[in-house]
Amino acid sequence: GENVEQHPSTLSVQEGDSAVIKCTYSDSASNYFPWYKQELGKRPQLIIDIRSNVGEKKDQRIAVTLNKTAKHFSLHITETQPEDSAVYFCAAPPGGNTPLVFGKGTRLSVIA
Amino acid sequence: EAGVAQSPRYKIIEKRQSVAFWCNPISGHATLYWYQQILGQGPKLLIQFQNNGVVDDSQLPKDRFSAERLKGVDSTLKIQPAKLEDSAVYLCASSLVITGELFFGEGSRLTVL
Repeated sequence: GENVEQHPSTLSVQEGDSAVIKCTYSDSASNYFPWYKQELGKRPQLIIDIRSNVGEKKDQRIAVTLNKTAKHFSLHITETQPEDSAVYFCAAPPGGNTPLVFGKGTRLSVIA
Repeated sequence: EAGVAQSPRYKIIEKRQSVAFWCNPISGHATLYWYQQILGQGPKLLIQFQNNGVVDDSQLPKDRFSAERLKGVDSTLKIQPAKLEDSAVYLCASSLVITGELFFGEGSRLTVL
């Protein structure tokens, strides 16, 4: 089955700096790559996603890049703010049209 | 638009007791999921429904967990008997399409003593 590895498990950055979180996946048939943000005690919420026919997608301070050959995708957050502090999860669907398999999460702390 | 509703939010039981969680998805979402999230980990799929049919329950511990989705709308997840390792947040999610955005409920936090 799909194996989704996420690194790092924790990340601390100074406010205003950039943060990068990377995920690798094992199933070459995976075609959809979302990132979810989960604040403490709250539900996971989608912040950005990318499909396999696109290499990069950007939404204000957040971007996702995809390298299908290497089977990895990354979340980039620029100009980080304290409210970006949360746990971020990547996910991928094994086989392309199946339920998402989530990574173990990255706890991001933005230090003011 | 109303989100995914779950209840109860919190439940504390002793091992070997039973518990049931309820979920009402977003109106019009045919696909419903139950995920288990153990503290410090990512959500792990337990079961996926498409309308009222089970699509994937390969990771559901069927000796103690059961789930149903009557009439293709609300769903219940039951654990009987509960074990200590079942302590987790049970997240219900729904989506319009399988490879699309998942809308999660607030979750039901289970503590098994």
